[in-house]
This record gives sequence, structure tokens and C-alpha cells, in this order.
Amino acid sequence: AQSVSQHNHHVILSEAASLELGCNYSYGGTVNLFWYVQYPGQHLQLLLKYFSGDPLVKGIKGFEAEFIKSKFSFNLRKPSVQWSDTAEYFCAVNARTGGFKTIFGAGTRLFVKA
Amino acid sequence: EAGVAQSPRYKIIEKRQSVAFWCNPISGHATLYWYQQILGQGPKLLIQFQNNGVVDDSQLPKDRFSAERLKGVDSTLKIQPAKLEDSAVYLCASSYRTSGLTDTQYFGPGTRLTVL
Repeated sequence: AQSVSQHNHHVILSEAASLELGCNYSYGGTVNLFWYVQYPGQHLQLLLKYFSGDPLVKGIKGFEAEFIKSKFSFNLRKPSVQWSDTAEYFCAVNARTGGFKTIFGAGTRLFVKA
Repeated sequence: EAGVAQSPRYKIIEKRQSVAFWCNPISGHATLYWYQQILGQGPKLLIQFQNNGVVDDSQLPKDRFSAERLKGVDSTLKIQPAKLEDSAVYLCASSYRTSGLTDTQYFGPGTRLTVL
């Protein structure tokens, strides 16, 4: 079955540490890729997205993600996290082969220690 | 720009009771989604509307769940009768794109349902 896998369910970092959250998907063909974030007490919101073009995309708050087609991956990175990055992060994939249905990963809870 | 509105925010019911959730998407957004998010999991698509037509309802438990989007704007999701395993957050989202691969989705605050 088509799926989206996020490798880490819980991550704890100290401020200024670097962050990389893994995301792998099982779809072939054309995909739209997203990272959504949910800050405590807030709605799910878009962090960044990849549709086409440069596989390194930049989002809000210094986040970036790299699409590696050969690895079916879309990992999220930030060179230096802040306490305010404490949130839950979801990778999501929308693919023609998936009937255009958006599939979300299980999420990664990030806690940044001040 | 007003966001996606949902009500109620919280609902507690007993099993076998009925419940309904309401969603008002962002003005001008053709596509509306209902997701179920069980604790510890990512959102799971229940149903997707384009205007007032259903695009995908393959994961909607149709024996107990129903949804409609009259006039292509507001939408309601109903559960009748509820089961314990329906306890979850029900998210509504909308997007502008009308066909093909999905564009950015804008999410509402969700309705947290507890079934006792």
C-alpha cells in the first residue's frame, strides 16, 4: 500500500542544535510534497512545499527541505533550532498514482529545550 | 482573509449517539476535505469535495459516517451511531485548486470528539 513514513516520532534538541526530520514515501511518478507544522494550541499550517523545479525548497522560519527523487525522500532541515520551533511536524504527499489523495505521515513531535 | 471555521470545538457523546460537525471553508476555495486524526497518528482523509461533488470518499465508513457540501460552500460531517473508536480530532481543510494534484491546504482548528 502507498504510504508516508516519518522516521522519528519524538525528537528532543537543545536550542541552536541542527535538525533533520526524515520523510519517505512509496509513490511513483509525479508528486506534490508538503511539510505541515502544528504549534501548540494552533492549527496545522504549511511550512513548505515542493511541486517542481529546484529540489531544495525553503519555507518559513528558516526551514528547508530537499526532494531526492531516487530515494523517495523529502527530509526537513533547519541549521539552528529555537525554543519556538517546539511543535509537531507532518510530512504529506499527494500523487497521481495515489488518486490525488493526500497521505500524511504519523508526525514527529519536536521539543526544543531552552 | 478569514480562515477555515469549524464548530463545535469539543464534543463529548456516548456510544451509539449521533453527532454532527460543521465547516466553513475559505471563501473561493473549491476543494474541501474532512480528515480524522486519531491521537498519535497523522490526519487521515475521510472525504474530499470539489465544489459540491465528491472526489474521494474511499476511506469514509459509509455505514455510519456521512457528509455533504450543499451549494459548494459549507459542509457537515455526521456520525450515526458513534463508536468508541471514533474518538479523534476531525479536521476540515480547504484549498483553491480544482483539479489534479493538491495545492496547499488550509486547516481549521478541528473538533475534538470524545465517545464514552
